[in-house]
Amino acid sequence: DGGITQSPKYLFRKEGQNVTLSCEQNLNHDAMYWYRQDPGQGLRLIYYSQIVNDFQKGDIAEGYSVSREKKESFPLTVTSAQKNPTAFYLCASSYWTGALVTNYGYTFGSGTRLTVV
Amino acid sequence: GQQVMQIPQYQHVQEGEDFTTYCNSSTTLSNIQWYKQRPGGHPVFLIQLVKSGEVKKQKRLTFQFGEAKKNSSLHITATQTTDVGTYFCAEKGIQGAQKLVFGQGTRLTINP
Repeated sequence: DGGITQSPKYLFRKEGQNVTLSCEQNLNHDAMYWYRQDPGQGLRLIYYSQIVNDFQKGDIAEGYSVSREKKESFPLTVTSAQKNPTAFYLCASSYWTGALVTNYGYTFGSGTRLTVV
Repeated sequence: GQQVMQIPQYQHVQEGEDFTTYCNSSTTLSNIQWYKQRPGGHPVFLIQLVKSGEVKKQKRLTFQFGEAKKNSSLHITATQTTDVGTYFCAEKGIQGAQKLVFGQGTRLTINP
């Protein structure tokens, strides 16, 4: 079945460590996105990528980095510069439809819960 | 940037009661999408509205887009325990990478 896979489901990070969250999709979607969700809050955009080897900062990119070397993969690194990394991280993907109006929504992965210990 | 305000933040109902969440913007929206996130889960796409005054139904769920395209609502008739979760509205950008800008969500809890 096509879908989007995030791993690990739970991740514990020590102070000063970098950690990388995996996101893989087999939906042949062009665009991929990373969102952060804090308890009881909405979703805030960290980074996004429309095509391979290209990505842009979202609203809260400081302390994070990404790469898009393959269409299927969009890993997120949470660096030691991110002062408050404990959160639920959601990866999503979608078709890029250009100016065409379609009924496509985002497909989300099941998320990674990151905790600083 | 574009902001989408969603109210109420929380709603608790008795099973069988109706539920409505509202999404408002100070500027005209290109479209509005609705997502449901079950407790501990991830958002799942429900529907997209594009046209002024548009109304769409999915079983007990009714979605509306305002005439001025500045507001939207999701109404659930006769709630069931399976409706528990957080409902988000979002506007999908029509240029570039077509980012979604989410409202804060309405968390629905139900007393069986």
